[in-house]
Amino acid sequence: QSVLTQPPSVSGAPGQRVTISCTGSSSNIGAGYDVHWYQQLPGTAPKLLIYGNSNRPSGVPDRFSGSKSGTSASLAITGLQAEDEADYYCQSYDSSLSPFGTGTKVTVL
Amino acid sequence: EVQLVESGGGLVQPGGSLRLSCAASGFTFSSYWMSWVRQAPGKGLEWVANIKQDGSEKYYVDSVKGRFTISRDNAKNSLYLQMNSLRAEDTAVYYCASRTVYCSSTSCQYYFDYWGQGTLVTVSS
Repeated sequence: QSVLTQPPSVSGAPGQRVTISCTGSSSNIGAGYDVHWYQQLPGTAPKLLIYGNSNRPSGVPDRFSGSKSGTSASLAITGLQAEDEADYYCQSYDSSLSPFGTGTKVTVL
Repeated sequence: EVQLVESGGGLVQPGGSLRLSCAASGFTFSSYWMSWVRQAPGKGLEWVANIKQDGSEKYYVDSVKGRFTISRDNAKNSLYLQMNSLRAEDTAVYYCASRTVYCSSTSCQYYFDYWGQGTLVTVSS
């Protein structure tokens, strides 16, 4: 049972920009806790994509960017590529329940 | 290169037991909190358990408390998950993951920076 809500799916054509929202509450994102993002390519393990709201680990392309405002956060993918088709999960801190968001499937049209 | 390699998954009957292992390399294992995260077929990620660097603190999701035990052996760079009284709803791919914890003056937060490839646990008769 997740306390972070994401849209089940988003889609876009190659080259377009897509955004994924992660909506929390005053007990997690709104309390000042950071948001992190993970990418899970089909049939593989999750991989850290963004940490601390907007920081990219080494090797992550700069077309991926993160932001946070109020009780929500967003992941943006600019210049969408076929290889970006995957599931994306946000994660933050909440003392009560699972730290992961519900997940969003990104489809490249 | 950081590597986390899980093993020990398989098919087990309801009520049975299984012990998962995770072999770590490429980083200072003893310096990291470690976690188990699972993913049921076609579902999202669910955190299962955490263990502190020296094993002195352990935390579990409510649904596995009293049935699962997380442990580690820093001398062997290994993480374990002993799963007892398994139920059908425990069927999932189990991932081990390292956690980076960072703290301010008021709170500590974390993220999962490295993940293993996962091991499938199927609970079925």
